[in-house]
Amino acid sequence: QQQVKQSPQSLIVQKGGISIINCAYENTAFDYFPWYQQFPGKGPALLIAIRPDVSEKKEGRFTISFNKSAKQFSLHIMDSQPGDSATYFCAAHSGTYKYIFGTGTRLKVLA
Amino acid sequence: GAGVSQSPSNKVTEKGKDVELRCDPISGHTALYWYRQSLGQGLEFLIYFQGNSAPDKSGLPSDRFSAERTGGSVSTLTIQRTQQEDSAVYLCASSEQIAYEQYFGPGTRLTVT
Repeated sequence: QQQVKQSPQSLIVQKGGISIINCAYENTAFDYFPWYQQFPGKGPALLIAIRPDVSEKKEGRFTISFNKSAKQFSLHIMDSQPGDSATYFCAAHSGTYKYIFGTGTRLKVLA
Repeated sequence: GAGVSQSPSNKVTEKGKDVELRCDPISGHTALYWYRQSLGQGLEFLIYFQGNSAPDKSGLPSDRFSAERTGGSVSTLTIQRTQQEDSAVYLCASSEQIAYEQYFGPGTRLTVT
């Protein structure tokens, strides 16, 4: 019940295309859903996050879509660029301090 | 401002040796986390410190792993009698007490030969 399932494991997108990464969770106590971006040799960096009281959050080219009834959330990267090539992790957080991370998606955007 | 820093950035050690990994959190952040990231894998929670409260050690994989946080700031993760399966990137993160956002350091890449 504490797992966050992330898919796909890897993704290749053409420059200018839309990248979509999905996550699903079971624990309805989760109340904060961040996405992290990690470049090789670097630590993860917070990209965008959402709380379950909204269905969508957009920051620039990055959008989180949240479906509370389905217990799913996804990251959309519009107009994907080669510089977006990285590993993306979703996570979920409950009222306690623990974060549960997905297994990551390795995104490659072709020039 | 300064972010989370970790040292060393890389550590190569022989099987059976002890290692110490250091984390300097962002100033004023009372919460500190250690994670382990194996090659191509997600983030595995190891231990959590919050202020002066007892740490949550529930993620430590064995009694060879321990961590301390001195003065509510710097933390050291110690791995005794290292094994090859301990090879991974060890990440530290910090956050404000009541905030959700975690900020990660660059990690320490540990290689046990």
